[in-house]
Amino acid sequence: AQSVTQLGSLVSVSEGALVLLRCNYSSSVPPYLFWYVQYPNQGLQLLLKYTTGATLVKGINGFEAEFKKSETSFHLTKPSAHMSDAAEYFCAVTHPGNNTNAGKSTFGDGTTLTVKP
Amino acid sequence: DTAVSQTPKYLVTQMGNDKSIKCEQNLGHDTMYWYKQDSKKFLKIMFSYNNKELIINETVPNRFSPKSPDKAHLNLHINSLELGDSAVYFCASSSGTGWGANVLTFGAGSRLTVL
Repeated sequence: AQSVTQLGSLVSVSEGALVLLRCNYSSSVPPYLFWYVQYPNQGLQLLLKYTTGATLVKGINGFEAEFKKSETSFHLTKPSAHMSDAAEYFCAVTHPGNNTNAGKSTFGDGTTLTVKP
Repeated sequence: DTAVSQTPKYLVTQMGNDKSIKCEQNLGHDTMYWYKQDSKKFLKIMFSYNNKELIINETVPNRFSPKSPDKAHLNLHINSLELGDSAVYFCASSSGTGWGANVLTFGAGSRLTVL
């Protein structure tokens, strides 16, 4: 079974400050990891993903995340927050492979990011 | 052109009624999903279809019945609606199952309110 834990349901930063959203996962096999963003009254959009290869992945809007297998983490960062970054962020894990769990994405409970002027 | 479109966007109905939500994707994806997002924003998978075949069926009441007439469409029918069914229902699609990145493309959601 796979699971995702997002530490901190609410993160508040000042504009221009570092954004750090935490995600830890549990998976019986090497997972595929994703961050999605949800703006108010919209569906989720992909920010970035890790499948294999380079552990530091860059996404849209200046976000990046680093896969750390030893820590089972995939934290999302952005050096300088912008007001437009205020949204709900979801970490997700997908179980690759060809068994019945393959393709099933499990989402964390989400982190609400607020950005203060 | 909207990649994953859902209708209706808003649905307000009485307990006990039956309602449907429709989803269509024009991305040529093989796999479609229904997710439920509750009032606390928790997102849970309900169903997944690959090429019209049901492949994921989570613990969902029998009152929920998905139907996929073709791989571009996945509809959700809900019988005997209950207050707890109030949520936002998201349709999503991806280009495959198994090995692959399984990036999900989401629709804008259908907000169901049961009174």
